[in-house]
Amino acid sequence: NAGVTQTPKFQVLKTGQSMTLQCAQDMNHEYMSWYRQDPGMGLRLIHYSVGAGITDQGEVPNGYNVSRSTTEDFPLRLLSAAPSQTSVYFCASSSPDGVTSSYNEQFFGPGTRLTVL
Amino acid sequence: GNSVTQMEGPVTLSEEAFLTINCTYTATGYPSLFWYVQYPGEGLQLLLKATKADDKGSNKGFEATYRKETTSFHLEKGSVQVSDSAVYFCALQDTDKLIFGTGTRLQVFP
Repeated sequence: NAGVTQTPKFQVLKTGQSMTLQCAQDMNHEYMSWYRQDPGMGLRLIHYSVGAGITDQGEVPNGYNVSRSTTEDFPLRLLSAAPSQTSVYFCASSSPDGVTSSYNEQFFGPGTRLTVL
Repeated sequence: GNSVTQMEGPVTLSEEAFLTINCTYTATGYPSLFWYVQYPGEGLQLLLKATKADDKGSNKGFEATYRKETTSFHLEKGSVQVSDSAVYFCALQDTDKLIFGTGTRLQVFP
């Protein structure tokens, strides 16, 4: 089990460029999410998905797109990068707890450090 | 809406000292509560959790008790080690989302 994998580990972009951050999990988890981590602000939810074909916005979705065509993959697209998107991005996955409407613990990837110049 | 408040860091301790990191929450109902830990250069990993009031989560010598009277979930460890140096995040489960606190950096010196 590789768990949650993210690529690339590091990326430098120029303002206005686009790119896709990749995330994959091999645990057959229905739930996947993207967070950004900024100093003094903890982790903030960008987008999430409760299953293939279903996505929803989190706290800070502007400037980012997602899609979920398979259970395993959940890419995050930056359409036109801005310096404010300089951050560390984490992908996470989880499964329903089977009893309540909630989810089990989230498993996190190692992160992608993005710098936008 | 639901939220989590953590004490600001950094917390600086000597090895074998007692650790408390405060966490309080605002929520409707009784959500599951978590502590995650982030070691330098890594992603977050679950440290412990509690799913209902008065539950105590524990792992690796760390403990936290779900207190609904004080809406708190403080993290404690009786004797910290240098290897415990990391950032600790308190979080609550809001149906299909995790809401995180801002994180508390712990630095333990020999």
